[in-house]
Amino acid sequence: EPEVTQTPSHQVTQMGQEVILRCVPISNHLYFYWYRQILGQKVEFLVSFYNNEISEKSEIFDDQFSVERPDGSNFTLKIRSTKLEDSAMYFCASAISGQQGEQYFGPGTRLTVT
Amino acid sequence: GQNIDQPTEMTATEGAIVQINCTYQTSGFNGLFWYQQHAGEAPTFLSYNVLDGLEEKGRFSSFLSRSKGYSYLLLKELQMKDSASYLCAGVYNFNKFYFGSGTKLNVKP
Repeated sequence: EPEVTQTPSHQVTQMGQEVILRCVPISNHLYFYWYRQILGQKVEFLVSFYNNEISEKSEIFDDQFSVERPDGSNFTLKIRSTKLEDSAMYFCASAISGQQGEQYFGPGTRLTVT
Repeated sequence: GQNIDQPTEMTATEGAIVQINCTYQTSGFNGLFWYQQHAGEAPTFLSYNVLDGLEEKGRFSSFLSRSKGYSYLLLKELQMKDSASYLCAGVYNFNKFYFGSGTKLNVKP
């Protein structure tokens, strides 16, 4: 069964460093998403991406964040200058269709900022 | 963001039926997802409701009332493996997703 994959599974970085989290969505999916979940808290929407551009972003997704689909398979989230409060699990998800589409989540990348 | 409210925790017995409620703000609302999340794992899709009424899928059913800003997830014939968090998530403005804090369901023998 096709699945969303994410690398790395765990990333430790120092405050102020840039990190890139990588995702490979399911191959025939067209809609891509990033979410984060701080330990013990709710899942928070960051951004949705369709047709090579951002369709919607949340208040969390400020200038420190960017997304890219550099080729036909990868979907990346970059955090330019990490802060302690960026420590969280970051989930990538993909869907065939937009708002009504069943979103398949990847296993997540645990980001720890020290 | 939009307020999505659901109970923090519930306990039920194996074999029983449990209903997990969710209320949400109706302005800009398009539809509602339910996800299951086991501890330390990613959410997995359970259901999506856009129209009023009940949708049944095996042991799980989901209900939506758009006018009341209310949904519930009904789990029948509870099994121990159903112990997990259940997340209610609203879709707003067609492409913005807001999650509730999740309801931790404990299933006891």
